[in-house]
Amino acid sequence: SQQGEEDPQALSIQEGENATMNCSYKTSINNLQWYRQNSGRGLVHLILIRSNEREKHSGRLRVTLDTSKKSSSLLITASQAADTASYFCATDGDTDKLIFGTGTRLQVFP
Amino acid sequence: DAGVIQSPRHEVTEMGQEVTLRCKPISGHDYLFWYRQTMMRGLELLIYFNNNVPIDDSGMPEDRFSAKMPNASFSTLKIQPSEPRDSAVYFCASTYRPTDTQYFGPGTRLTVL
Repeated sequence: SQQGEEDPQALSIQEGENATMNCSYKTSINNLQWYRQNSGRGLVHLILIRSNEREKHSGRLRVTLDTSKKSSSLLITASQAADTASYFCATDGDTDKLIFGTGTRLQVFP
Repeated sequence: DAGVIQSPRHEVTEMGQEVTLRCKPISGHDYLFWYRQTMMRGLELLIYFNNNVPIDDSGMPEDRFSAKMPNASFSTLKIQPSEPRDSAVYFCASTYRPTDTQYFGPGTRLTVL
């Protein structure tokens, strides 16, 4: 079974707007990661947040983690058409492997 | 480094044929993972290796699937015989530590007719 579930499944916005996607998971974790997948490509790592961290930034990306609610959010500010992709969260749970969520498909219109 | 390399990028075959997918991980990475991605099931872990040894193959769908890693720079995923339901994109990924950042290859899109 999948550890992470992203919400929403799909999101459409205009360039310049902010995009927020959420991830919920089931078991305790050591870290949570976000990946991006452009159409027809492999997944690319965006950011990793550890269980003892609450917020992390990387460029236009902001990730928050709430371990009490077992949830994380990814915020992309000032979105660009090039941000159009699917975004996945991945957690390690209590295993030594990553479990990927179902993904959010983001469409950014110029 | 060139990143994780997979071949072929596309494979079209007929049901019953043997299919071999290849992966070259990033040099120095001790872990190698094989994933399968479909619209219905999302991204599924099939098997992973540590220092060329298979650690967990619980995700391998059935005996028709097999994977090997004869050395640190090469792995194969074989399907024999292939079936239409095996059609998917197969990814290989490598990393230093299993739950740290994983580096994915471009994938092999397999179509079984």
